[in-house]
Amino acid sequence: DTAVSQTPKYLVTQMGNDKSIKCEQNLGHDTMYWYKQDSKKFLKIMFSYNNKELIINETVPNRFSPKSPDKAHLNLHINSLELGDSAVYFCASSLSSGGGVPQHFGDGTRLSIL
Amino acid sequence: SQQGEEDPQALSIQEGENATMNCSYKTSINNLQWYRQNSGRGLVHLILIRSNEREKHSGRLRVTLDTSKKSSSLLITASRAADTASYFCATDERGGGSNYKLTFGKGTLLTVNP
Repeated sequence: DTAVSQTPKYLVTQMGNDKSIKCEQNLGHDTMYWYKQDSKKFLKIMFSYNNKELIINETVPNRFSPKSPDKAHLNLHINSLELGDSAVYFCASSLSSGGGVPQHFGDGTRLSIL
Repeated sequence: SQQGEEDPQALSIQEGENATMNCSYKTSINNLQWYRQNSGRGLVHLILIRSNEREKHSGRLRVTLDTSKKSSSLLITASRAADTASYFCATDERGGGSNYKLTFGKGTLLTVNP
């Protein structure tokens, strides 16, 4: 069984469109994350939720809006897509939001903006 | 801010050889984690070492931590072609309250040639 699954795996769309990425974890973890990995493989946290509540919100444009309907799901909606949004987006989860806790990652959603 | 910096950026070795990757960080840490990322996949947690530990082993992996030099190393012994991947170190930073976020380095791309 896949622990952290995100859909779709690939997303190709035009500039200006709105798109969503979904993530689900079946590990029973309390905390979920969204990361962005750029073309140079640099991975940066965007958001973190603990038990459906937003706890970390990095400097991310307002066009990005996460939503957590329950603690097993964390979705990411992106409005008015721009060329610079092209990247791989990873969802992750961990047992808690405290330090020293390993994170489990999905296999990523590769977003390409035309 | 970027906390971890891996060195070298890329490493190519023959199967059976040992591979050593280094990570330096800037501020004090409570723990440090190493992750592996195979091409097209998500990150996989390898090992966590706490600030009061100097060395930790897991199978063919050996991690050291030198808090006085703010550096860590990951040694993979008797490498296999399947070890070909990018390796990242990550440190915890406070994200607000009792919540922490992981800050990743740029990674080392390890290629193990058969």
